[in-house]
Amino acid sequence: EDQVTQSPEALRLQEGESSSLNCSYTVSGLRGLFWYRQDPGKGPEFLFTLYSAGEEKEKERLKATLTKKESFLHITAPKPEDSATYLCAVHPSGYSTLTFGKGTMLLVSP
Amino acid sequence: NAGVTQTPKFQVLKTGQSMTLQCAQDMNHEYMSWYRQDPGMGLRLIHYSVGAGITDQGEVPNGYNVSRSTTEDFPLRLLSAAPSQTSVYFCASSGGRGLRRTGVYGYTFGSGTRLTVV
Repeated sequence: EDQVTQSPEALRLQEGESSSLNCSYTVSGLRGLFWYRQDPGKGPEFLFTLYSAGEEKEKERLKATLTKKESFLHITAPKPEDSATYLCAVHPSGYSTLTFGKGTMLLVSP
Repeated sequence: NAGVTQTPKFQVLKTGQSMTLQCAQDMNHEYMSWYRQDPGMGLRLIHYSVGAGITDQGEVPNGYNVSRSTTEDFPLRLLSAAPSQTSVYFCASSGGRGLRRTGVYGYTFGSGTRLTVV
């Protein structure tokens, strides 16, 4: 069974305090790994797709990396506006759908 | 350029009532899906469609029906609402069946429908 586990469940940072979110996965063949951001009361917003181990993607203060068993979302010098829930999802081979983790709720204090 | 539009945004139903959650996209996307999001459970797939006339079940399909008569619309029907169906429902669409096209654009989500069944 395909599984996606995100840690920590919640993370509180001070503005400027860099950290990483983890997404570990177990799938029968990975076609792609997705990161999303979700603000309260809104739908998930697409951030990155990673296709193979060793791949990295960057967007402003966010950097996503991928290994054969996990992905990290690194947040460098975060700002309060980075506060959100970050979701990880995998696209297993042979399927048309995504399997989501439960998310990490990030709170960045000024 | 509306993207994915869901209606209504909020709904309260009584147990046993039926209703349809609407989802429309204007991006000519082939793939559409419905998820529900519950505290502590994450996003769970209800039903999905890879094109007009083609639908399939996801992880939690019981109590829900879907159909896809056009590329643009993918309504979700609750046949006889139960309190366990209280949730936030999201519709999502993607550019194509091919992974590369899907990956480049990601899945576009609607803003959600918050449903309460009393």
